[in-house]
Amino acid sequence: KAGVTQTPRYLIKTRGQQVTLSCSPISGHRSVSWYQQTPGQGLQFLFEYFSETQRNKGNFPGRFSGRQFSNSRSEMNVSTLELGDSALYLCASSLATRQGETDTQYFGPGTRLTVL
Amino acid sequence: AQSVSQHNHHVILSEAASLELGCNYSYGGTVNLFWYVQYPGQHLQLLLKYFSGDPLVKGIKGFEAEFIKSKFSFNLRKPSVQWSDTAEYFCAVNPNQAGTALIFGKGTTLSVSS
Repeated sequence: KAGVTQTPRYLIKTRGQQVTLSCSPISGHRSVSWYQQTPGQGLQFLFEYFSETQRNKGNFPGRFSGRQFSNSRSEMNVSTLELGDSALYLCASSLATRQGETDTQYFGPGTRLTVL
Repeated sequence: AQSVSQHNHHVILSEAASLELGCNYSYGGTVNLFWYVQYPGQHLQLLLKYFSGDPLVKGIKGFEAEFIKSKFSFNLRKPSVQWSDTAEYFCAVNPNQAGTALIFGKGTTLSVSS
């Protein structure tokens, strides 16, 4: 099976712009989660989607949003970019099927976002 | 707030030395526990996981971890490291009511010299 794929791999934006990142989960996985990785804060959970519904959210401002499509592909959007949004954004998918169920997450290579 | 602590930021070992990386978490309920590894230039990969049952779990590449509930710990061990184990290691906790959300430690960089 192909792994989790993320596009684009690298992105450079300027402050105030918005950005959309894309994630395709492993075939058959319906749960997609997003994480932000920075040198200072480490890996932090952004949100999780399952069957097109956000079912869990981390402690990030409303500028960070996401969605999931019927084929389980997911996008995350960051509006009004700030310098501090520069980070590696990781997507992970899992086979978890029921509300509250947990399962192993498999990570993609990430999108490296640089905000100038 | 729930948190995960990894005691060592950077560990330097010679090949064949034994490894133990500490991980403690602060959460009173049932948790699922993971160790992930990130090799240079590669993405996060699962080393091992604990959901329930035998608290001593074995993972890939000779790694194992022991869950000690009374100490809120999930330490990673390997009896004899190799140069190829050079990587960053992350401990992660999933509180059982939080879907698949993972709370990660800050990571430990392991450097193994040949």
